[in-house]
Amino acid sequence: DTGVSQDPRHKITKRGQNVTFRCDPISEHNRLYWYRQTLGQGPEFLTYFQNEAQLEKSRLLSDRFSAERPKGSFSTLEIQRTEQGDSAMYLCASSPWLNSPLHFGNGTRLTVT
Amino acid sequence: DAKTTQPNSMESNEEEPVHLPCNHSTISGTDYIHWYRQLPSQGPEYVIHGLTSNVNNRMASLAIAEDRKSSTLILHRATLRDAAVYYCILNSGGSNYKLTFGKGTLLTVNP
Repeated sequence: DTGVSQDPRHKITKRGQNVTFRCDPISEHNRLYWYRQTLGQGPEFLTYFQNEAQLEKSRLLSDRFSAERPKGSFSTLEIQRTEQGDSAMYLCASSPWLNSPLHFGNGTRLTVT
Repeated sequence: DAKTTQPNSMESNEEEPVHLPCNHSTISGTDYIHWYRQLPSQGPEYVIHGLTSNVNNRMASLAIAEDRKSSTLILHRATLRDAAVYYCILNSGGSNYKLTFGKGTLLTVNP
């Protein structure tokens, strides 16, 4: 169990640019989740995959956000035309089945200047 | 999901027990009580969860009031590594992945 891996750990981008983050879940965890955490707040749910199917999306996930998990293994989260309000920690988590605890990665911290 | 109330911060001394309270007066019968913690610069880490009975694991104990309107996370011997934000979260059994984190309790452990 090597844990959930996220890349990059930090990303600084200029407003209007596109960014993409990657998440590698724990091997054989078929459920994968994205959360966002702004400074001083707890994480907020964004979206959930079971294998390659995206089963739920929060209304926080605007049209500029898209998440994929093409082969049911790693996942990517892309933000198009970034805004300063997108600055946050983006956390990925995985679990082996529906009601098991979530295993979180250490996140990607995005700063939009 | 029902709301939880936690103190903003608590302090403890190393090697002493810590009792972290959580109030959830509007809990429903199907709500599980989950605890996660978040160490500085890390993602949240699962600690423990329960429904009605008290629970123990290698990290902590969870004491649930008989009316389930409150619960307490117990760290039996705090270490410096336990300094973190502790989140008490209610979630119904069918959707435990969509966790609603509040602001949690910032635990400081003094050497």
